[in-house]
Amino acid sequence: DAGITQSPRHKVTETGTPVTLRCHQTENHRYMYWYRQDPGHGLRLIHYSYGVKDTDKGEVSDGYSVSRSKTEDFLLTLESATSSQTSVYFCAIGGTSGASTDTQYFGPGTRLTVL
Amino acid sequence: GIQVEQSPPDLILQEGANSTLRCNFSDSVNNLQWFHQNPWGQLINLFYIPSGTKQNGRLSATTVATERYSLLYISSSQTTDSGVYFCAGLIQGAQKLVFGQGTRLTINP
Repeated sequence: DAGITQSPRHKVTETGTPVTLRCHQTENHRYMYWYRQDPGHGLRLIHYSYGVKDTDKGEVSDGYSVSRSKTEDFLLTLESATSSQTSVYFCAIGGTSGASTDTQYFGPGTRLTVL
Repeated sequence: GIQVEQSPPDLILQEGANSTLRCNFSDSVNNLQWFHQNPWGQLINLFYIPSGTKQNGRLSATTVATERYSLLYISSSQTTDSGVYFCAGLIQGAQKLVFGQGTRLTINP
């Protein structure tokens, strides 16, 4: 299995508070992704990164920001959490350094509850 | 539009049965992948299959890119095969995957 960890694995927070989720990889993959998974919607892309300090939006990026200051870490921040952001968040990595993405590998997920 | 559609949405089988899951994808999608999400939520990559056929044990996948579909075959199903199977394709010109809604497979002992 690809070396991907996510932290925290579970979090309960209150509406209006900022939340940061961390994804860490040991595989030196160029591409990193954040998805959310909700019943009835499957997996939807929030943001992705194609290199250090290079990021782009996915289909559900409103209310989220990301940062990637080094190859191995990709942070997802909910600037002011809302109940609609209650979800399971998955990080994924893809492609080898310098190459385009192909197979994606997923982390274990973070279950976030916003009260 | 960009579409990935899976069928059937649900499938219930007895242990030992064979199954075929289908994924149709639109013209703007390629580089199909299949994933299995186990009952504990872990997503596992099964196949990266832009075209042709691949096999891994009891699982195999075939993608006919010219006809915009992919099939996942599971033979001699086991209870550990239960979970949700997703197909996903890469949006052409962008490094982004779009996922189908999944097929929930339940294998009863």
